Amino acid sequence: EAEVAQSPRYKITEKSQAVAFWCDPISGHATLYWYRQILGQGPELLVQFQDESVVDDSQLPKDRFSAERLKGVDSTLKIQPAELGDSAMYLCASSPWPNTEAFFGQGTRLTVV
Amino acid sequence: KQEVTQIPAALSVPEGENLVLNCSFTDSAIYNLQWFRQDPGKGLTSLLLIQSSQREQTSGRLNASLDKSSGRSTLYIAASQPGDSATYLCAVVAGQNFVFGPGTRLSVLP
Repeated sequence: EAEVAQSPRYKITEKSQAVAFWCDPISGHATLYWYRQILGQGPELLVQFQDESVVDDSQLPKDRFSAERLKGVDSTLKIQPAELGDSAMYLCASSPWPNTEAFFGQGTRLTVV
Repeated sequence: KQEVTQIPAALSVPEGENLVLNCSFTDSAIYNLQWFRQDPGKGLTSLLLIQSSQREQTSGRLNASLDKSSGRSTLYIAASQPGDSATYLCAVVAGQNFVFGPGTRLSVLP
């Protein structure tokens, strides 16, 4: 069964360091999402791609976060420098097209110390 | 701005009970609504997707309904089992992305 792959599963980093997360969506899915989920809350959108183009990054803290999907397939989310408040679960999801069923990966649990 | 709420925040029931989880949203202009399950420390697993033109969807012991006019969806779980223990999240598709509720944490006791 096709799955959204994310790595790493867990990451511990020191404050002010750089960290990167990788996501490989389900093959053929044009839409890719990055969400951040703080413990006890629902996920919140950081960035949405349609193929290689950014559709929505209005909630992405652009002074420290960046995201890319260079060939319209896999994607990388980067934080530099990391802050204590960035500790959260980072979830990647994909769907065939916008407004269709979304499938999520297992997430990356980030702890900033 | 679309806002999604879920009631109750937590629920504990004995095994075998039928139960209902509630989801409310403020803007009825949605494309669809999706229910997810999340186990501790894990990602989200899709349970059911209801398109805006549909009233309900069923999968096994799960049944989800949608009433756009009142801004509500319910997830009905029949004959609950300890393996159903998890957090259940609803998400509405508004615009081009998903807006999530905070989830209902369900515990099914043996």
